[in-house]
Amino acid sequence: DAGITQSPRHKVTETGTPVTLRCHQTENHRYMYWYRQDPGHGLRLIHYSYGVKDTDKGEVSDGYSVSRSKTEDFLLTLESATSSQTSVYFCAISDRTQPANYGYTFGSGTRLTVV
Amino acid sequence: QQQVKQSPQSLIVQKGGIPIINCAYENTAFDYFPWYQQFPGKGPALLIAIRPDVSEKKEGRFTISFNKSAKQFSLHIMDSQPGDSATYFCAAGSARQLTFGSGTQLTVLP
Repeated sequence: DAGITQSPRHKVTETGTPVTLRCHQTENHRYMYWYRQDPGHGLRLIHYSYGVKDTDKGEVSDGYSVSRSKTEDFLLTLESATSSQTSVYFCAISDRTQPANYGYTFGSGTRLTVV
Repeated sequence: QQQVKQSPQSLIVQKGGIPIINCAYENTAFDYFPWYQQFPGKGPALLIAIRPDVSEKKEGRFTISFNKSAKQFSLHIMDSQPGDSATYFCAAGSARQLTFGSGTQLTVLP
């Protein structure tokens, strides 16, 4: 999607290893979000950020950490990957300065498999 | 927990039919209600959104109906086409955060 890229697109990792997913935006949006998507659960919020070094937990934050040292980058780290973290991870950005801009723009996702 | 309940989980209609997807929310502070469309292998994309001060919004073949007193809103797709086959998510929230429904997989048969 224009303005937001996720890397890697696919990753297979072993149980117990740390994994970092990257979200990069060129829109200069203040708000960034990490979601995971699983069948039957829709999109569940992991962590979000309202600005540089300003982050907060979502509903499924256990086992995940985030960092945002620059406006354009939002990193999601699985501290010690488990099979339950096998999922598709989406990053989203939002302007949210006005109600008309509340909508999110999503990246193309990262498919993570923990074996 | 601020939930958004979406139904049905899956829906199959014939071309030209009008699929309807329903969502219910709990938090009366929510002031933004978008719908997202997702094709396989892609991220969700904003389709249409409504604010609670109106009861209906239409964009092309897509219409949102909003019932503030019942805390429910729905998506109607007029003259549905096979190209509309996708997963649809409702969401509800405010300036800081959106909560998503669990998704509806729509199949439009030719």
